[in-house]
Amino acid sequence: NAGVTQTPKFQVLKTGQSMTLQCAQDMNHEYMSWYRQDPGMGLRLIHYSVGAGITDQGEVPNGYNVSRSTTEDFPLRLLSAAPSQTSVYFCASRLQGQADQPQHFGDGTRLSIL
Amino acid sequence: GQQVMQIPQYQHVQEGEDFTTYCNSSTTLSNIQWYKQRPGGHPVFLIQLVKSGEVKKQKRLTFQFGEAKKNSSLHITATQTTDVGTYFCAGSGANNLFFGTGTRLTVIP
Repeated sequence: NAGVTQTPKFQVLKTGQSMTLQCAQDMNHEYMSWYRQDPGMGLRLIHYSVGAGITDQGEVPNGYNVSRSTTEDFPLRLLSAAPSQTSVYFCASRLQGQADQPQHFGDGTRLSIL
Repeated sequence: GQQVMQIPQYQHVQEGEDFTTYCNSSTTLSNIQWYKQRPGGHPVFLIQLVKSGEVKKQKRLTFQFGEAKKNSSLHITATQTTDVGTYFCAGSGANNLFFGTGTRLTVIP
């Protein structure tokens, strides 16, 4: 099993550009989520999904969109990139919809906005 | 909203010294999880604590959950260079985990 796969690993964008960060998992996990990690601020939840067709906002959703058309995939879209979105982005998934299950993280996408 | 605070933010220790990181929540937690992130890596699940006052051990790591289920700690005995990384606690909400800010551990050989 590959677990949680994120692409790309690195990306540099110009302000105003849009892009999609890809996340796929092969563990048949219902719950998937996106976090951003910034120095001194830990992991902050952007959006999450408890199953195909269902998404919801986390702590810091502004400037990001998500969709969940399949159980396996949960892409994160930056609509118009801003320097404040420079960060490391992690996708995570877990079994079922309860928060007491361990989360499995992808390797992350390191994104720089110039 | 739910907040999970973690101290210290950084800790440098000599190899062989002990290390402790503390996690405090503004609300009672149903459970708490601990993760380790190696430099350049991704968070990896270590353990979950559920019961009030629970203590669990993994080799040199000891995890505690407070009696009021609002705080937790991770203690590493006799640190080794392989312990370097950032340790995060995470408290459960209804659907999601709320991560602490993390403690970055540096071990000096």
